[in-house]
Amino acid sequence: DTAVSQTPKYLVTQMGNDKSIKCEQNLGHDTMYWYKQDSKKFLKIMFSYNNKELIINETVPNRFSPKSPDKAHLNLHINSLELGDSAVYFCASSPGQGKGAFFGQGTRLTVV
Amino acid sequence: SQQGEEDPQALSIQEGENATMNCSYKTSINNLQWYRQNSGRGLVHLILIRSNEREKHSGRLRVTLDTSKKSSSLLITASRAADTASYFCATDARNYGQNFVFGPGTRLSVLP
Repeated sequence: DTAVSQTPKYLVTQMGNDKSIKCEQNLGHDTMYWYKQDSKKFLKIMFSYNNKELIINETVPNRFSPKSPDKAHLNLHINSLELGDSAVYFCASSPGQGKGAFFGQGTRLTVV
Repeated sequence: SQQGEEDPQALSIQEGENATMNCSYKTSINNLQWYRQNSGRGLVHLILIRSNEREKHSGRLRVTLDTSKKSSSLLITASRAADTASYFCATDARNYGQNFVFGPGTRLSVLP
């Protein structure tokens, strides 16, 4: 079984649309994250959730919103998509302080 | 500004040679981690070194940490073509809480 799975793997959509990316982890980890990787491979933290509480929210447009229905899921909702949102989005989870993170395979979002 | 910076940005070596990648960071850390990313895939956690450790080994990987210089190095010995990937350092920075701040990565090419 995949430890951190995210769907879809590819997403092509038009500007102005609203879309969601789902993420699930079966590792029992307390913390989940969303990262954005741009075309230059630069990874930027977007959100992290710990026990359903948003603990870090970087300078991300409020068009992006994380939703965590339970400890195993952290979905990413994006409203009014823009061309600059095109990137690869990674979900990750971690068991806690001082431990490494496990990453999903990524969702390549293309806004046209 | 970005916490971690890898050096070099790209590295090409012959199979069997050793590869050394460096990472510099700016603030105090709890630990530093190295990840590998194969093309089109998610990140895989390789090794974690705590702020009170100076060196750590895992198989063909050797990581050093110099907190006085705020730098770390990743050495891959006896490289293989399968080691071709991008390598990222990530810091679990004290002032970011439980968050991983990534550098831009080093793209390693191991030529057969």
